[in-house]
Amino acid sequence: GAGVSQSPRYKVAKRGQDVALRCDPISGHVSLFWYQQALGQGPEFLTYFQNEAQLDKSGLPSDRFFAERPEGSVSTLKIQRTQQEDSAVYLCASSGEGSGGFGYTFGSGTRLTVV
Amino acid sequence: SQQGEEDPQALSIQEGENATMNCSYKTSINNLQWYRQNSGRGLVHLILIRSNEREKHSGRLRVTLDTSKKSSSLLITASRAADTASYFCAAYNFNKFYFGSGTKLNVKP
Repeated sequence: GAGVSQSPRYKVAKRGQDVALRCDPISGHVSLFWYQQALGQGPEFLTYFQNEAQLDKSGLPSDRFFAERPEGSVSTLKIQRTQQEDSAVYLCASSGEGSGGFGYTFGSGTRLTVV
Repeated sequence: SQQGEEDPQALSIQEGENATMNCSYKTSINNLQWYRQNSGRGLVHLILIRSNEREKHSGRLRVTLDTSKKSSSLLITASRAADTASYFCAAYNFNKFYFGSGTKLNVKP
């Protein structure tokens, strides 16, 4: 497609449930970010991939968070044993450039609500 | 925790007026970008200014950058009701964006 696609658009999870959030980047895009945006706040960095390599995962808040991009295209962000503080919008962005910060397109996000 | 601060947090103006938003950041940067976000939607890239640039224009947008003060400003001229959204600055430093907390702009018709 023309843009970055994220699914599901909305997810309600019971506390303790595992969730998987999907990001389909623009075809051929090398770089991919995941960001977490709490209500009324700016996005906060979670992790960065270049192709299939996860070059930076310093923003993942706990070992319950795991991200992968096994074939260098689609990426999945998995959250195990969800907690209420995980409620946020999870944004994915991709770029055809390598490092440099140029040409990023963001998806519309997945809004996760943990009840 | 946010790596940037934006000022003001909220701004309400009449259509046709100019809107100025300011951003301060903490890290060194390769470039600084401004994004717009409509409620419940993703981020839309507006403009990028490199660390060696001081001012840039794009249509009704003007952005300035002062790396000595680690600050940037975004000016939207002749605002329209459709400009109503949240605006974020994002400082980019190798493989990472550091976003501010955002300015919520309301343009009244």
